[in-house]
Amino acid sequence: SQTIHQWPATLVQPVGSPLSLECTVEGTSNPNLYWYRQAAGRGLQLLFYSVGIGQISSEVPQNLSASRPQDRQFILSSKKLLLSDSGFYLCACSGGYNEQFFGPGTRLTVL
Amino acid sequence: KQEVTQIPAALSVPEGENLVLNCSFTDSAIYNLQWFRQDPGKGLTSLLLIQSSQREQTSGRLNASLDKSSGRSTLYIAASQPGDSATYLCAVCMIYNQGGKLIFGQGTELSVKP
Repeated sequence: SQTIHQWPATLVQPVGSPLSLECTVEGTSNPNLYWYRQAAGRGLQLLFYSVGIGQISSEVPQNLSASRPQDRQFILSSKKLLLSDSGFYLCACSGGYNEQFFGPGTRLTVL
Repeated sequence: KQEVTQIPAALSVPEGENLVLNCSFTDSAIYNLQWFRQDPGKGLTSLLLIQSSQREQTSGRLNASLDKSSGRSTLYIAASQPGDSATYLCAVCMIYNQGGKLIFGQGTELSVKP
């Protein structure tokens, strides 16, 4: 079965600073990968998904970007963080359209 | 636009009770439906997956049903325990652009009292 790793677990960053969150997956190959954000009182929202290396689809226009340099690595980035970027970021994977499994998450606080 | 609603938003029950959590969705063209559990500050744990062609799935004390035509799913928890306390999330999977997008409800926060 697959295991999803995310780091860091928590992060406190000032407004305007860059961001890099990493997600790696073990136990599966060629997965679909997803970044979700869970903001307080707003539920879970899909930000990006990828069906293969270098293939990224964006759901919500914002100052975040994603990259997939390797089959089982998914990175979420920003050049300049905003206060509104605070939240709980979750990486997920699936085999095709099947069951999605989630990582432990990264808690980001932008001050 | 798909919208997922979960009722109730919060639920508190004594230990041992059987309980039902409700989920409704507006667009019946779903690929599957998943129920998740989330403990405070943690990621999501997948509980049950129901394909669009299925009516129900069972795992231990959990049973989830799906009525796609009416846009409803229920999660039944038998003989609840304090360890079941968590937020339960319902999500429907929509297919487009080669990806499977999950649309989540706001969740039901369950508290089981000893």
